[in-house]
Amino acid sequence: SQTIHQWPATLVQPVGSPLSLECTVEGTSNPNLYWYRQAAGRGLQLLFYSVGIGQISSEVPQNLSASRPQDRQFILSSKKLLLSDSGFYLCAWSPPNRDQPQHFGDGTRLSIL
Amino acid sequence: EDQVTQSPEALRLQEGESSSLNCSYTVSGLRGLFWYRQDPGKGPEFLFTLYSAGEEKEKERLKATLTKKESFLHITAPKPEDSATYLCAVQATNKFYFGSGTKLNVKP
Repeated sequence: SQTIHQWPATLVQPVGSPLSLECTVEGTSNPNLYWYRQAAGRGLQLLFYSVGIGQISSEVPQNLSASRPQDRQFILSSKKLLLSDSGFYLCAWSPPNRDQPQHFGDGTRLSIL
Repeated sequence: EDQVTQSPEALRLQEGESSSLNCSYTVSGLRGLFWYRQDPGKGPEFLFTLYSAGEEKEKERLKATLTKKESFLHITAPKPEDSATYLCAVQATNKFYFGSGTKLNVKP
């Protein structure tokens, strides 16, 4: 069966520091991968999605970037964190075929001080 | 503009009191509608997929239905363990659009 791992679970970072969040998927090949941010009491905001290695689509211009160095690895990064980057970050995958649901990791709670 | 709206934002029920959650959508080229359950501090957990108007799916006390403009998640005789936020999402091409969710609280 397929599993998705996301870490760390919580992270406290100072303003201006770099960020690296990692997500890996097991049990499937060539998944579509997604990064979302969820503000408290709000819906999920799509940040990036990828349909293959090195293929990244950005949905919201901002202080973050994403990379997909391997088929089942997705990384969210920032060179300098802002206070507004605080939130709950979720990684998700879906099968490469269309019309299939996404499956989510357990998220990273990021607090910027 | 593609949009997904869920109502109500919050719902408090007594144990055993049935109700429905609504998800209305305006997207071009709907490819699927998905319901998720999200517990505090966790990622959303997939519940159902609906593809065409008239389709229904059931799982324990939950039943999801779909029309051309909206979907309902019916909760029959809920229990306290059904308390969670329920999210609706629609897929158009490679993108998923999420509603902001309905927070359900079921009191014993």
